[in-house]
Amino acid sequence: GAVVSQHPSWVICKSGTSVKIECRSLDFQATTMFWYRQFPKQSLMLMATSNEGSKATYEQGVEKDKFLINHASLTLSTLTVTSAHPEDSSFYICSARGSREISSGANVLTFGAGSRLTVL
Amino acid sequence: AQSVAQPEDQVNVAEGNPLTVKCTYSVSGNPYLFWYVQYPNRGLQFLLKYITGDNLVKGSYGFEAEFNKSQTSFHLKKPSALVSDSALYFCAVSPYGQNFVFGPGTRLSVLP
Repeated sequence: GAVVSQHPSWVICKSGTSVKIECRSLDFQATTMFWYRQFPKQSLMLMATSNEGSKATYEQGVEKDKFLINHASLTLSTLTVTSAHPEDSSFYICSARGSREISSGANVLTFGAGSRLTVL
Repeated sequence: AQSVAQPEDQVNVAEGNPLTVKCTYSVSGNPYLFWYVQYPNRGLQFLLKYITGDNLVKGSYGFEAEFNKSQTSFHLKKPSALVSDSALYFCAVSPYGQNFVFGPGTRLSVLP
């Protein structure tokens, strides 16, 4: 089945530094990738949607200059948290959907394992 | 606007007993409905989906869900709960297969 690899699983950084999280689709081409943020005991909050080769579409209230999303290839999307601050500490999850899944009607999102960011 | 409600924050059930995790939705058009499960510090895992066809859909790990159009519900069920089923469960709706909207999640605890 479809697999999405997300790296790193855990990251601790100092305030003011930038952190990059990678999301890779291992056995399918992800035409669309989604980035979510999850606070403790809360649901997923969609941050942005990215299509390969296009600029990401950010949800209202999400700072695009703060959370840089790149989807340069059909198998890789990255989220960079720039100038991180303690309030950015959270669990970030990516998900991906391929063109084959859409055309077949499967329309299932495949999620990465998530990345827990702690900003000191 | 699309929305998903999971009225129970927490569901407790004894091992071996049947479990139900409730979900209701509001969406314009034909809904694509999903259940995902999340274990601690992990991403979401797909359990099952309803797009069309039989209202009762069967998924992974013995779970099933029933689509009820008149009640706009999609409750998740399992005949006999296992301790290993303890996790966070999310219902999601995707109008016409577009962007997903997730419910707030329900924490299931199966007691031995």
